[in-house]
Amino acid sequence: GQNIDQPTEMTATEGAIVQINCTYQTSGFNGLFWYQQHAGEAPTFLSYNVLDGLEEKGRFSSFLSRSKGYSYLLLKELQMKDSASYLCAVYLGGYQKVTFGTGTKLQVIP
Amino acid sequence: GAGVSQSPSNKVTEKGKDVELRCDPISGHTALYWYRQRLGQGLEFLIYFQGNSAPDKSGLPSDRFSAERTGESVSTLTIQRTQQEDSAVYLCASSLTSGGTYEQYFGPGTRLTVT
Repeated sequence: GQNIDQPTEMTATEGAIVQINCTYQTSGFNGLFWYQQHAGEAPTFLSYNVLDGLEEKGRFSSFLSRSKGYSYLLLKELQMKDSASYLCAVYLGGYQKVTFGTGTKLQVIP
Repeated sequence: GAGVSQSPSNKVTEKGKDVELRCDPISGHTALYWYRQRLGQGLEFLIYFQGNSAPDKSGLPSDRFSAERTGESVSTLTIQRTQQEDSAVYLCASSLTSGGTYEQYFGPGTRLTVT
């Protein structure tokens, strides 16, 4: 079966850095997505990691370790608008299917 | 270009009625997913279509739920004899499955309320 774990909720201060972790146990792993979902809106794509290492995209970076089944999303210089849910999702080979974790609700406080 | 569209955006129905939700994926996207999201909850996978392969129906919660997709075009999700627990936002997403770009593009969702 597939198992994807993320913390349910996190709180961080405006201007700070926050790391949201995701661990997974899946078969046929191809890559890992991070999505952002603001309340009442559809998820939007943030990043896709296939190879081990850190990929940086502006204030957001995503890290993957395939051997450890581990990823994190790093948000720097937090802004109030970053308050949202962050969804980790695994792309499985073979059937080419994406499976989502339950998401981490991040609250940014002043 | 147009993104994923869904209709209706909102649907209020009485318990026991059937409803049909529609999803228009991005043209050329071979993969199409339906998800259910209850208030404050994560995405619950319902069904997955990939090209002409048999759909993955493993997420459908009961036999009251069914979905169809003709080729790589429009998909409809049908819920028969709706129950109050079916109230949720139903999200559709489409993606490519070749060329190295597999990100899902989500539609705005259909908010279903069963009274």
